[in-house]
Amino acid sequence: SQQGEEDPQALSIQEGENATMNCSYKTSINNLQWYRQNSGRGLVHLILIRSNEREKHSGRLRVTLDTSKKSSSLLITASRAADTASYFCATGGGNKLTFGTGTQLKVEL
Amino acid sequence: DSGVTQTPKHLITATGQRVTLRCSPRSGDLSVYWYQQSLDQGLQFLIQYYNGEERAKGNILERFSAQQFPDLHSELNLSSLELGDSALYFCASSVAYFSTGELFFGEGSRLTVL
Repeated sequence: SQQGEEDPQALSIQEGENATMNCSYKTSINNLQWYRQNSGRGLVHLILIRSNEREKHSGRLRVTLDTSKKSSSLLITASRAADTASYFCATGGGNKLTFGTGTQLKVEL
Repeated sequence: DSGVTQTPKHLITATGQRVTLRCSPRSGDLSVYWYQQSLDQGLQFLIQYYNGEERAKGNILERFSAQQFPDLHSELNLSSLELGDSALYFCASSVAYFSTGELFFGEGSRLTVL
C-alpha cells in the first residue's frame, strides 16, 4: 500500500520554468524524503526534511512540509531537460520506508 | 553511482521458472532491502536483511525468498514465476539496522516473465 500520494501524476513544463509537485501522506512522520528516478533506473535521494522543519533548500530544490495538513511540496526552480524523471516522496525509515505514487516530470526544450 | 550493484540488469524467463537476483551493498553497509516496482503496485518493500539476519518482511510472496551472505551480498530468489511477477526489483542498502535517512539504491533488475 502507498503511504503517500503525489500530485500531479504527470507534469510537463518548458526548460527554465519552475516545477512544483505535492505529496500527501496518511500517518504521523519523523521525516519525509524525496527521491528521483530516471526512466528505468534506480532511485536517487534528493533531500530529507524532518518533522520539526518547515522548509529546506538544496541547490535548485526547495521542500516544504506542513505536518498539520500531512503534506509536502517539492519545488524545482529553473528546470532543465535533465530534470526529466519521476519524483517520489517517502515517509518512514529503514524497513518502514514507504513511497508515494510518484510524479512524472517532463521538461521540454 | 550509488555503490550498490545489482545483477543481472535484465532477464526474461517463462512462467513456472525460478530466478535469482543478486545485490552487493555499498561498502560498509550492513542492511539490505529489496523492493519491487510495478506499474500497478508502485514501489513495494519486500524484505530486509541486517548483517546476515532477516529483520523485516513486507509484501513478499511465499514463492519469494532472500538471504544475505557473510560477505553481506544478498540474493532474492523468485520461484514458480507468474506473469504478474514481471517488475523492476531494486536492492537498497544503509549502514544501520533502522535508517532514518536515505537509502542507496541499485539500478535494479528488470524481470520479464513470458
